Amino acid sequence: DAGITQSPRHKVTETGTPVTLRCHQTENHRYMYWYRQDPGHGLRLIHYSYGVKDTDKGEVSDGYSVSRSKTEDFLLTLESATSSQTSVYFCAISESARTPNTGELFFGEGSRLTVL
Amino acid sequence: AQSVAQPEDQVNVAEGNPLTVKCTYSVSGNPYLFWYVQYPNRGLQFLLKYITGDNLVKGSYGFEAEFNKSQTSFHLKKPSALVSDSALYFCAVRDEDTGGFKTIFGAGTRLFVKA
Repeated sequence: DAGITQSPRHKVTETGTPVTLRCHQTENHRYMYWYRQDPGHGLRLIHYSYGVKDTDKGEVSDGYSVSRSKTEDFLLTLESATSSQTSVYFCAISESARTPNTGELFFGEGSRLTVL
Repeated sequence: AQSVAQPEDQVNVAEGNPLTVKCTYSVSGNPYLFWYVQYPNRGLQFLLKYITGDNLVKGSYGFEAEFNKSQTSFHLKKPSALVSDSALYFCAVRDEDTGGFKTIFGAGTRLFVKA
């Protein structure tokens, strides 16, 4: 299994509070991603990073921010959590999006967030 | 824009029978297609991919997928299903419109294999 650790694995918080989820990798992969998984929607990309301090938005980035100060760590922050952000969050990594490496993703175990 | 569709929310099959999980795609260029599997309370695991070459791609756990360009499909198959294959399966495509940095997932198909 790829060395990807997400923390916390479970969190319950209240509306309006800030929340930070951490993804730590030991694979030295360049690309890191945050997805959320919701029934009927599959996985939707929130933000991604293509290097230290290089990040960009995905399709559902509103209400989320990210930071990557080191290759191994990618943080996802909910500045003011809302009930619509209740979800399971997955971190993923890939070595390269370019051929010959074809960019398959390796996932962490997920972080289940409940916003009351 | 790139997209994938999984037309079935759920597939039921008896153990020992062949299984097929369907996926269709829409891309503007050459497709880079993937299948992932998710077991309960786990992250997704990569199963197989199609980049180029043979239309029949073999992957982990005895799974294979058939790429059909004319039908824009990439169906996942297994000749003989096991109860342990019961899981959530995702088809995905790499988004070449954005330089290949993103992977777009279908909504998922839940596979139930009955003993």
